Amino acid sequence: AQKITQTQPGMFVQEKEAVTLDCTYDTSDPSYGLFWYKQPSSGEMIFLIYQGSYDQQNATEGRYSLNFQKARKSANLVISASQLGDSAMYFCAMRDDRGSQGNLIFGKGTKLSVKP
Amino acid sequence: NAGVTQTPKFQVLKTGQSMTLQCAQDMNHEYMSWYRQDPGMGLRLIHYSVGAGITDQGEVPNGYNVSRSTTEDFPLRLLSAAPSQTSVYFCASSYYSFTGEEGYTFGSGTRLTVV
Repeated sequence: AQKITQTQPGMFVQEKEAVTLDCTYDTSDPSYGLFWYKQPSSGEMIFLIYQGSYDQQNATEGRYSLNFQKARKSANLVISASQLGDSAMYFCAMRDDRGSQGNLIFGKGTKLSVKP
Repeated sequence: NAGVTQTPKFQVLKTGQSMTLQCAQDMNHEYMSWYRQDPGMGLRLIHYSVGAGITDQGEVPNGYNVSRSTTEDFPLRLLSAAPSQTSVYFCASSYYSFTGEEGYTFGSGTRLTVV
């Protein structure tokens, strides 16, 4: 069954250091997309980065990059030079593989705390 | 600004009351969905729609109804509120093209408490 696994319930990182948030997935669809969302304490879901299964290069968006290892079915989010404002919940997600239904399957999330 | 508009942002209900959470999008997206988020969980799909007049159940549909009379609007109705429906609710709209391009936009969420 399709599944997203985030094994780190909580992470701490020192300000200005890099941090990697883990995400593994399982799907039967050969074509898929992986998403990362940030949810600050204010509650909104903020899109960070997207990786398509056929993309040749790892996705990058500013301080966010995705370490995509297709054979290992992992799509880890790397945040470089952490800032206090990066403290939030982070969710990995992928499209529901039961056809083009426009829905996402989410992991349970990782709570990142950035220490000054 | 273009996007997904959810109302209300906060709501307190008494057990047994009914209410409707509103969701509207102005991006002409085909797909719309409702999710609920509980502590320690990711978002779970309640109901979704693949176009006007077409809806279907997600992972946790019990106690909720939806309808999609227009492309823009996708309200979620709680028929008889129960404490187990205390949660944060998110509406989302999305597109997915045959070229594989896809995108998802979330509303700001509704924090619902049932007492």
